[in-house]
Amino acid sequence: AQKVTQAQTEISVVEKEDVTLDCVYETRDTTYYLFWYKQPPSGELVFLIRRNSFDEQNEISGRYSWNFQKSTSSFNFTITASQVVDSAVYFCALLNNAGNMLTFGGGTRLMVKP
Amino acid sequence: EPEVTQTPSHQVTQMGQEVILRCVPISNHLYFYWYRQILGQKVEFLVSFYNNEISEKSEIFDDQFSVERPDGSNFTLKIRSTKLEDSAMYFCASSLAGRGDTQYFGPGTRLTVL
Repeated sequence: AQKVTQAQTEISVVEKEDVTLDCVYETRDTTYYLFWYKQPPSGELVFLIRRNSFDEQNEISGRYSWNFQKSTSSFNFTITASQVVDSAVYFCALLNNAGNMLTFGGGTRLMVKP
Repeated sequence: EPEVTQTPSHQVTQMGQEVILRCVPISNHLYFYWYRQILGQKVEFLVSFYNNEISEKSEIFDDQFSVERPDGSNFTLKIRSTKLEDSAMYFCASSLAGRGDTQYFGPGTRLTVL
């Protein structure tokens, strides 16, 4: 069975601070895919990034960066110089090898205060 | 940019009534999914659908639930006899390919069962 754990249920920062959201996963698959989604207050789920288990290179996209470490089964997400618009719930998710089911973590609510 | 759409945005129904939630996946996508999110909780997988068949379903997806692709554009989730605990946000998602591909989510339908 797959499992995704986001130990931080809520984080509060002041604008311009850097913040890291943690994600730890469990799977028996040797091939798998990891995702981050953002859920703003409006409720939709917005895709942020996808990584496969063979690619451990860190990725940067603007103020967002992701650190994938297979050795610790972690896929952490860092927002640099946070902004109020970053306030949302962030979900880490794991796609099974068959590719037909996403397992979500419990989410981390990020509040960025001005 | 193509997106998944869902109707209605909010559905209120009486316990025991049947509801049909509708989704229009991204037009060239071949794989379709339903997820639900009970208020304040994690997103949970319900079912995946490909080539007019269910390819995976969770324990939540019992005999009260069914899915259908009635035509070339719509994908529906039917709940035959709603219960109070079915109250949740229901998300439809689609992907172009199965294994490893990104699932793009619709804005959700909030179902309230009274």
